[in-house]
Amino acid sequence: AQSVTQPDARVTVSEGASLQLRCKYSYSGTPYLFWYVQYPRQGLQLLLKYYSGDPVVQGVNGFEAEFIKSNSSFHLRKASVHWSDSAVYFCAVSASTGNYKYVFGAGTRLKVIA
Amino acid sequence: AQTIHQWPVAEIKAVGSPLSLGCTIKGKSSPNLYWYWQATGGTLQQLFYSITVGQVESVVQLNLSASRPKDDQFILSTEKLLLSHSGFYLCAWSRANQAPLFGEGTRLSVL
Repeated sequence: AQSVTQPDARVTVSEGASLQLRCKYSYSGTPYLFWYVQYPRQGLQLLLKYYSGDPVVQGVNGFEAEFIKSNSSFHLRKASVHWSDSAVYFCAVSASTGNYKYVFGAGTRLKVIA
Repeated sequence: AQTIHQWPVAEIKAVGSPLSLGCTIKGKSSPNLYWYWQATGGTLQQLFYSITVGQVESVVQLNLSASRPKDDQFILSTEKLLLSHSGFYLCAWSRANQAPLFGEGTRLSVL
């Protein structure tokens, strides 16, 4: 079975600073990996996805993530954050073999301060 | 473009009352459909998935049931609500094995 750990429940960064949100997964097979963002009282929006190939994937709004198989990690990065990036970010994993189960981490609440 | 619509937007219900939440996907035939539950400030817990009309698989038991009466419709229901059913219910769809795309959710308060 798959599992996801997001070790940082809350992260605070200054506007314009760089960002890294951590995600580690556990799955014995080949994973599919995702990052989502959730704004208050809204559904989740897909930021980026990794299926195969280039381990660095680009997403929307300047976000990118790197799949490091040896470390079972899929950290999310952004070079320069904006106050509007304040939200909750979820990492998720599924099996590439298609068991229709998508497991989400606990989420990281990002606060961007002036 | 595909659109996903959930109804109602919010519900306030009494313990022991029935519940029915709905989800409709337009612009995509034979989507995979999913129901998730999110406690306030919590993570998402997958409840059900369906890959075809009439077939629904349970992922976790929370005294809820789901049905897929039409290709584009997914229903979540229970005959008797519990306090623990309060939270945010999210419907999602995906192609084959791809990233789920979520609706705007239904907020449920059980009193």
